[in-house]
Amino acid sequence: DSGVTQTPKHLITATGQRVTLRCSPRSGDLSVYWYQQSLDQGLQFLIHYYNGEERAKGNILERFSAQQFPDLHSELNLSSLELGDSALYFCASSVASGGSYEQYFGPGTRLTVT
Amino acid sequence: GEDVEQSLFLSVREGDSSVINCTYTDSSSTYLYWYKQEPGAGLQLLTYIFSNMDMKQDQRLTVLLNKKDKHLSLRIADTQTGDSAIYFCAESILRQGYSTLTFGKGTMLLVSP
Repeated sequence: DSGVTQTPKHLITATGQRVTLRCSPRSGDLSVYWYQQSLDQGLQFLIHYYNGEERAKGNILERFSAQQFPDLHSELNLSSLELGDSALYFCASSVASGGSYEQYFGPGTRLTVT
Repeated sequence: GEDVEQSLFLSVREGDSSVINCTYTDSSSTYLYWYKQEPGAGLQLLTYIFSNMDMKQDQRLTVLLNKKDKHLSLRIADTQTGDSAIYFCAESILRQGYSTLTFGKGTMLLVSP
């Protein structure tokens, strides 16, 4: 158990809908990262927050957004969902944002868009 | 550019050593990581190596880094069936005070009894 929690574990929704994925980092970790894992693209970095502020963006679509709240949990919002958005979404946390800080991954949310 | 490449599949017998290879392209990598993913689970950090090191050993795991060739390997000694999983290599690049991870597509390790 990494100490990172994600809810829900599974989510099934229809195209065009909007969903919110939630992540609670390990106690004491200030950084939260979101990743998307799909069969064709592999594991892709989406976005990074540190202590409530956005620090880096990766291959994140404009239909997707995220935020980190004062209690350091984070939410990833996915809107106007398409079939191709079906994937595993992972959240990871680390103590800080630079250097060697290892990222610890949550169990993931499996999103299925039908 | 950033690209991490791994072979897709490795099959070994229980008790043998496994060697999983990875190449990366960004010479500004600071740390290189190995993660393990079991079916239906998240990624578990196994070990990491700083880019100015050549080798790191951690119990059954040995990481070798050839910085000149940008080649990283993970050796698992005395491989067990419980080691069957997907192994991801990742490079960490420090930019403007933050680091991001770029992952390979993973190597599926199958250990047969």
